[in-house]
Amino acid sequence: AQRVTQPEKLLSVFKGAPVELKCNYSYSGSPELFWYVQYSRQRLQLLLRHISRESIKGFTADLNKGETSFHLKKPFAQEEDSAMYYCALRYNNNDMRFGAGTRLTVKP
Amino acid sequence: KAGVTQTPRYLIKTRGQQVTLSCSPISGHRSVSWYQQTPGQGLQFLFEYFSETQRNKGNFPGRFSGRQFSNSRSEMNVSTLELGDSALYLCASSSGGDGEQYFGPGTRLTVT
Repeated sequence: AQRVTQPEKLLSVFKGAPVELKCNYSYSGSPELFWYVQYSRQRLQLLLRHISRESIKGFTADLNKGETSFHLKKPFAQEEDSAMYYCALRYNNNDMRFGAGTRLTVKP
Repeated sequence: KAGVTQTPRYLIKTRGQQVTLSCSPISGHRSVSWYQQTPGQGLQFLFEYFSETQRNKGNFPGRFSGRQFSNSRSEMNVSTLELGDSALYLCASSSGGDGEQYFGPGTRLTVT
């Protein structure tokens, strides 16, 4: 069965420190993976997707098919990065599976 | 471009009643997906409609149903409400291909 696991519910780092939000997936086919972010009082929005291979707001994520992971990384966290982050797997057109989410807090 | 809109934003219903939620997608988007978000279960996929047809369905009981109209607007219906149906219901629209999903603000349903 398709599944997305985000092992950390809460993650706290200091401003300027590196941050890594972990995501592992379970899917036998060719995965399409995303990171979504929800800032306080805002809508859920796409942060990045693996097929675009771009860096958004300093965040990057690399798909590792061997480890079935899609970890989100940023070398220097900023206070405005504090938000809820969701990893998601898309298959069968728009059938999406979301992880439980990781709440990132960046302390000053 | 106007974003995805959902009505109503808040709803209080009694156990056993039924409820209908509405979602208006971004103009030109033909796919609408629905999700249930709860603190315990997180974001769970309910179903997706594309060009008035249900294309995908998650693992929810038959009390949860939906439809999509020719203008791509979608409604979700929950019959015989249970306390556990209290949640934030999100809809998201996309072009339907491999396009990005854009989320609405959600409808907060409380069942008492």
